[in-house]
Amino acid sequence: QKEVEQNSGPLSVPEGAIASLNCTYSDRGSQSFFWYRQYSGKSPELIMFIYSNGDKEDGRFTAQLNKASQYVSLLIRDSQPSDSATYLCAVNNRTNAGKSTFGDGTTLTVKP
Amino acid sequence: NAGVTQTPKFQVLKTGQSMTLQCAQDMNHNSMYWYRQDPGMGLRLIYYSASEGTTDKGEVPNGYNVSRLNKREFSLRLESAAPSQTSVYFCASRMTAGNSPLHFGNGTRLTVT
Repeated sequence: QKEVEQNSGPLSVPEGAIASLNCTYSDRGSQSFFWYRQYSGKSPELIMFIYSNGDKEDGRFTAQLNKASQYVSLLIRDSQPSDSATYLCAVNNRTNAGKSTFGDGTTLTVKP
Repeated sequence: NAGVTQTPKFQVLKTGQSMTLQCAQDMNHNSMYWYRQDPGMGLRLIYYSASEGTTDKGEVPNGYNVSRLNKREFSLRLESAAPSQTSVYFCASRMTAGNSPLHFGNGTRLTVT
């Protein structure tokens, strides 16, 4: 079992819809969770981070964390074609000296 | 602000050649990392430096060495390049070895023939 797993893509949604990206992790000691967006040929950039159970909202983006279920998700409301990218889930825990473990990513396409 | 700067952007090597990838950050971050990214495989950690003067192996360290030259600079060396090392390499940094997010450089696309 991989340490961090993301729902296999690609994911395609129409413009204006809600895109839902999911991530599960195996290490119960995980403390912090990050979503990065990566456009083709570019480097990853931070979208959201979340440390506590529940929801965290930032504009059109909402991160959801459920530590009991070892599950973290990213919702993108009112999806735009500019949201088309690969989304990477990353997980840290207190025993790994800050090393982030990444999932393989989910590629999202938003169709006009 | 430059952030994290990597050089070179592109490199082609022949099998057995050596090279050093350079990385520098100007954000006064303590921790620095080298990742490689292969198609469909996400980012895999090669080596990291939690703080100046320390380095540790990551998930895929074989065939690589690193040097944390000072707080700003963290280089990755391929002593004898192999085709399996064809990849995109990203350097990243963060404030502390913990919960702060990573800041990435623009990447180095390496091809080994």
